[in-house]
Amino acid sequence: DVKVTQSSRYLVKRTGEKVFLECVQDMDHENMFWYRQDPGLGLRLIYFSYDVKMKEKGDIPEGYSVSREKKERFSLILESASTNQTSMYLCASTDRGLYGYTFGSGTRLTVV
Amino acid sequence: SQQGEEDPQALSIQEGENATMNCSYKTSINNLQWYRQNSGRGLVHLILIRSNEREKHSGRLRVTLDTSKKSSSLLITASRAADTASYFCAPDSGGYQKVTFGTGTKLQVIP
Repeated sequence: DVKVTQSSRYLVKRTGEKVFLECVQDMDHENMFWYRQDPGLGLRLIYFSYDVKMKEKGDIPEGYSVSREKKERFSLILESASTNQTSMYLCASTDRGLYGYTFGSGTRLTVV
Repeated sequence: SQQGEEDPQALSIQEGENATMNCSYKTSINNLQWYRQNSGRGLVHLILIRSNEREKHSGRLRVTLDTSKKSSSLLITASRAADTASYFCAPDSGGYQKVTFGTGTKLQVIP
């Protein structure tokens, strides 16, 4: 069964900490994405990557960066966590084929 | 980026009834996808319909696409309590266009 694995389901961090959210896929997909989901706002695209070493800003990149050193791993970095980054973070990957996007289970991050 | 807008925002039906939700989008697409999200989890891909298709079935799911109206609908027949979830559409323009998701339709199926 193909999978996108996010390293943590729940995470609590302090304001100002540097936070790493890890995402690993085992489907050899080129394309990977990070979204955040907040009530009433839907899923908003933070960053995406269409190839190893390639990264593009999504709609809300401020306060975030990403790393993709290997094809299967796409990491989201909160440089200095703030309370307004408390959210559900969803990673996804796709080969843009018939099976659409495969999502991870999500990481619910709380910044205190 | 291309974003779908789902309608209605919320829908409550009795078990056994059919549920219909709609999606509108703004620019031309290669395909349109529907996803389900159970509370607090990631999205699960349900079905993909290509721009040259008008209707597609998968089990109890029926998707239609009208590219002239830039709209799609998802019909769930004979709904079950387990269908309770949020449903999202994702219009994909292909290439390096970003796919974004709207706020979804929250479906409640009452046993």
